[in-house]
Amino acid sequence: EVQLVQSGAEVKKPGESLKISCKGSGYSFTSYWIGWVRQMPGKGLEWMGIIYPGDSDTRYSPSFQGQVTISADKSISTAYLQWSSLKASDTAMYYCARSMGGKWEPWGAFDIWGQGTMVTVSS
Amino acid sequence: QSALTQPASVSGSPGQSITISCTGTSSDVGSYNLVSWYQQHPGKAPKLMIYEGSKRPSGVSNRFSGSKSGNTASLTISGLQAEDEADYYCCSYAGSSTPVVFGGGTKLTVL
Repeated sequence: EVQLVQSGAEVKKPGESLKISCKGSGYSFTSYWIGWVRQMPGKGLEWMGIIYPGDSDTRYSPSFQGQVTISADKSISTAYLQWSSLKASDTAMYYCARSMGGKWEPWGAFDIWGQGTMVTVSS
Repeated sequence: QSALTQPASVSGSPGQSITISCTGTSSDVGSYNLVSWYQQHPGKAPKLMIYEGSKRPSGVSNRFSGSKSGNTASLTISGLQAEDEADYYCCSYAGSSTPVVFGGGTKLTVL
């Protein structure tokens, strides 16, 4: 079964760092882009960025460039989303998702989604 | 403010058809055949319903269809069922500077 399994919920304080994960299985992890999508409480979906685990090519939305870091470790089929200094406004559900397209089609639709990781930032 | 504009809510009775619009610009929806639609039930992850404007992934009911005219994409659900009640989001490629944008979402209520 093709699936993405994300790490568990996190509760952090402002200023702390955090790295959440997304592990792929059931397919060739290095052959598909993995994206991250934010959903703030009661709000819509926001595209954050994508990474191609095969060569770590990464693209960011201008809204999130410099605010987060997307990375991947292909040896363990895992993608990451990282913050160096969290803010209360980072409180949200974060989803990873697989893009349908291959290396030369980074903008394909997201056909497989993780279950989401809830990040709560509060003092 | 989302880059793609969707109605906040639509409703319909079981068995009826509804259409959700997604209005963008000539820089996104109008220029690329890369519109996708997602269904999200409360507390659940989104699910892909339509990709590349009108294609259905394996396993998605043929009651769901997608189309595009100019800068507006549409999702049509025919033969409404109670299980279709959910939030629906459109999404489009928007060029290299702002690669991908979502609509604000539409809440579908089945009366």
